Amino acid sequence: GEDVEQSLFLSVREGDSSVINCTYTDSSSTYLYWYKQEPGAGLQLLTYIFSNMDMKQDQRLTVLLNKKDKHLSLRIADTQTGDSAIYFCAEKGSSNTGKLIFGQGTTLQVKP
Amino acid sequence: EPEVTQTPSHQVTQMGQEVILRCVPISNHLYFYWYRQILGQKVEFLVSFYNNEISEKSEIFDDQFSVERPDGSNFTLKIRSTKLEDSAMYFCASTLEEVGEQFFGPGTRLTVL
Repeated sequence: GEDVEQSLFLSVREGDSSVINCTYTDSSSTYLYWYKQEPGAGLQLLTYIFSNMDMKQDQRLTVLLNKKDKHLSLRIADTQTGDSAIYFCAEKGSSNTGKLIFGQGTTLQVKP
Repeated sequence: EPEVTQTPSHQVTQMGQEVILRCVPISNHLYFYWYRQILGQKVEFLVSFYNNEISEKSEIFDDQFSVERPDGSNFTLKIRSTKLEDSAMYFCASTLEEVGEQFFGPGTRLTVL
């Protein structure tokens, strides 16, 4: 079945780069997403990548996609304390609808 | 900037009671979704809705659940007889196209006692 897995926790120092990793099982995934959830808030779309791309860069964010290994990563350059949040990887499921399959989320802790 | 809104932000109910969670999607969006997140667990898909009908539902979305778009702006999730295990954060989402940016609301925290 469709599944998305992430590591649960990442701690970095302010100013360092953060890399959050995700693996997925559905090789037919067309879109892969990164969402950010701050405490008590909803899910904010950070970026997404189409499956025919290897990389997408958006300011401090870089998404890398390895389709062969079904591996997706999100790199945050110059991580700030305001980046502390839970980061969810999600894939569009193989169904004909826009259903998203989420990972369990990676808690990013940024230490000053 | 347009956003998805949800009310209430927190709902407390007794087991067996009916609850209705409300969402106002972004006005020109056509596809609507409900997800839920039990504390400490993954965000799970419940149902998708398009053209006034359910287009897909998960195993979680059993006969106790229903969705409606009563007036062209609201999108509601009804749970007929709540159980303790329905306690979760419920997120509404909408999108203009079937695939693409899915915009989420802030969620309704449902607590069933």
